[in-house]
Amino acid sequence: EDQVTQSPEALRLQEGESSSLNCSYTVSGLRGLFWYRQDPGKGPEFLFTLYSAGEEKEKERLKATLTKKESFLHITAPKPEDSATYLCAVNYGGATNKLIFGTGTLLAVQP
Amino acid sequence: NAGVTQTPKFQVLKTGQSMTLQCAQDMNHNSMYWYRQDPGMGLRLIYYSASEGTTDKGEVPNGYNVSRLNKREFSLRLESAAPSQTSVYFCASSERRQSTYEQYFGPGTRLTVT
Repeated sequence: EDQVTQSPEALRLQEGESSSLNCSYTVSGLRGLFWYRQDPGKGPEFLFTLYSAGEEKEKERLKATLTKKESFLHITAPKPEDSATYLCAVNYGGATNKLIFGTGTLLAVQP
Repeated sequence: NAGVTQTPKFQVLKTGQSMTLQCAQDMNHNSMYWYRQDPGMGLRLIYYSASEGTTDKGEVPNGYNVSRLNKREFSLRLESAAPSQTSVYFCASSERRQSTYEQYFGPGTRLTVT
């Protein structure tokens, strides 16, 4: 069964305290792994797409990495404005691009 | 570019009432999707439309119908609302450009069924 599991469910950091969020997946034939950011009361905002093990992508303080079984979202020296829920999703539908989402990690960065 | 827009933003229905959620995108994308988001459940796919004129069921289609009106618009209809359909509904669209398939989401419709 295709499944995406994110951990931890919630994470509280001090400003400048680096950490990582985990997304583990089981899917037959990975067609893409996606990271999104969701602010309260808003729709998910696209961050990264990863397609193959060993791939890495960076954007400001965020860096996403991918292995054959999991992905990590590394947050370096976070700021309060990085506080949000981070969602991981995996393409299980091939060309139809159907996604299965994890339940997210709620990140709070305190000043 | 407005991206993906949804109407209404909020709605309260009584059990048994019907309503249609509207979604439009101005990015010329072929594929469109409807999700619901519930606490502790994550986003779940209700229906999707790979291209204009086609629709197909997702993970949780029961109690819903969809219409792909044209390339821009994709509506979701609740024929007889039930309290279990209380949720936040998101529409998304995507297009394959080179190797990327990312979906872009609208702001959501918050629906309460009493």
